[in-house]
Amino acid sequence: LAKTTQPISMDSYEGQEVNITCSHNNIATNDYITWYQQFPSQGPRFIIQGYKTKVTNEVASLFIPADRKSSTLSLPRVSLSDTAVYYCLVGPLGGGADGLTFGKGTHLIIQP
Amino acid sequence: KAGVTQTPRYLIKTRGQQVTLSCSPISGHRSVSWYQQTPGQGLQFLFEYFSETQRNKGNFPGRFSGRQFSNSRSEMNVSTLELGDSALYLCASRHEGEWETQYFGPGTRLLVL
Repeated sequence: LAKTTQPISMDSYEGQEVNITCSHNNIATNDYITWYQQFPSQGPRFIIQGYKTKVTNEVASLFIPADRKSSTLSLPRVSLSDTAVYYCLVGPLGGGADGLTFGKGTHLIIQP
Repeated sequence: KAGVTQTPRYLIKTRGQQVTLSCSPISGHRSVSWYQQTPGQGLQFLFEYFSETQRNKGNFPGRFSGRQFSNSRSEMNVSTLELGDSALYLCASRHEGEWETQYFGPGTRLLVL
């Protein structure tokens, strides 16, 4: 799976929009970009996935530029409960031989 | 639909002992993967089972093993426990072909003393 680079931590405040950027310079043509969220002592939870341009669901938006070498997870109007670790993963669909490679993720802390 | 369940949730063992962890996937999911999470190494892939067969394996020593039953339930075993095996062990299940939508259980926190 392509290596990804994310900020180790970020801080924000309730009600703000938070953008977390992930770099993946070696992304392959058949790779997709997927984000997971993990709360303490819980397993990661799938948030959103995309291939190019913009994807939006009820939780977040994912922006992917044309060169696909980076992506940005956007969380609108965050609340305290959005405090978690966010992981950016890059890899092909259909199953990866090495499982999911999570990296260290971004620890997002939301303050009142 | 019930989520992925793991038992036990917490476990304390001593060095040299062995441990067996259990995972029940979401109904209809035939793929089960195991991961180890530690503060220092992050979340690392152990192995994946599909239809009772180990399909993929991460870079872990042979002390780590697993199996899957005909009902897709899976167990992982760690023999001759070491202090460094203290971690959160996560199980995830998915539909075949849906790589991105793996559903994780709450994990088993293992402490080796």
